Amino acid sequence: AQTVTQSQPEMSVQEAETVTLSCTYDTSESDYYLFWYKQPPSRQMILVIRQEAYKQQNATENRFSVNFQKAAKSFSLKISDSQLGDAAMYFCAYIGGGADGLTFGKGTHLIIQP
Amino acid sequence: KAGVTQTPRYLIKTRGQQVTLSCSPISGHRSVSWYQQTPGQGLQFLFEYFSETQRNKGNFPGRFSGRQFSNSRSEMNVSTLELGDSALYLCASSLGLAGGLVNTQYFGPGTRLTVL
Repeated sequence: AQTVTQSQPEMSVQEAETVTLSCTYDTSESDYYLFWYKQPPSRQMILVIRQEAYKQQNATENRFSVNFQKAAKSFSLKISDSQLGDAAMYFCAYIGGGADGLTFGKGTHLIIQP
Repeated sequence: KAGVTQTPRYLIKTRGQQVTLSCSPISGHRSVSWYQQTPGQGLQFLFEYFSETQRNKGNFPGRFSGRQFSNSRSEMNVSTLELGDSALYLCASSLGLAGGLVNTQYFGPGTRLTVL
């Protein structure tokens, strides 16, 4: 079975600074997809960024980018110029090509200090 | 385009009762997946429906069931409720096509179920 590990239960960063959230996963599949979702206090799960495993180029979405290291099975999220609205729980998620449903990590609580 | 909607947003039930939750996907999406979120277990996949058929299933007891209608709306039912079923239930919709990021799942706001 696939597993996703987020080793940082909580991170804190100053507004306008850069922060990196870690995620590692374990799989024997070669075809899979990785995602970062954000869950603010409203509990609405919002897609932040996504990556196809077969693409070597790291995905970017405005201030959000990933560092995808396939051999190391690592998928970290970098948030640049942190804003107060970035405060939320961040979940790393995996889905295989067979699409059995997303497997989520335990989440990282991101605090933005003004 | 309207997002995923879930009703009701909050529910309070007592042990032994049953409950039905509803999810309307994004227009054009044919796949609906359900997830349970609890503080202890985190986010866990319940099942996925595509074209009115259950396509994938997580590791949950048979008390958890679902169905999908021809308009892709989905319902989830939990029978004989237990205290441990208290959770946020999230549904997500996607195009449901084979492989690719086109199958990205978009989530609804969730239904908060409290079992007393």
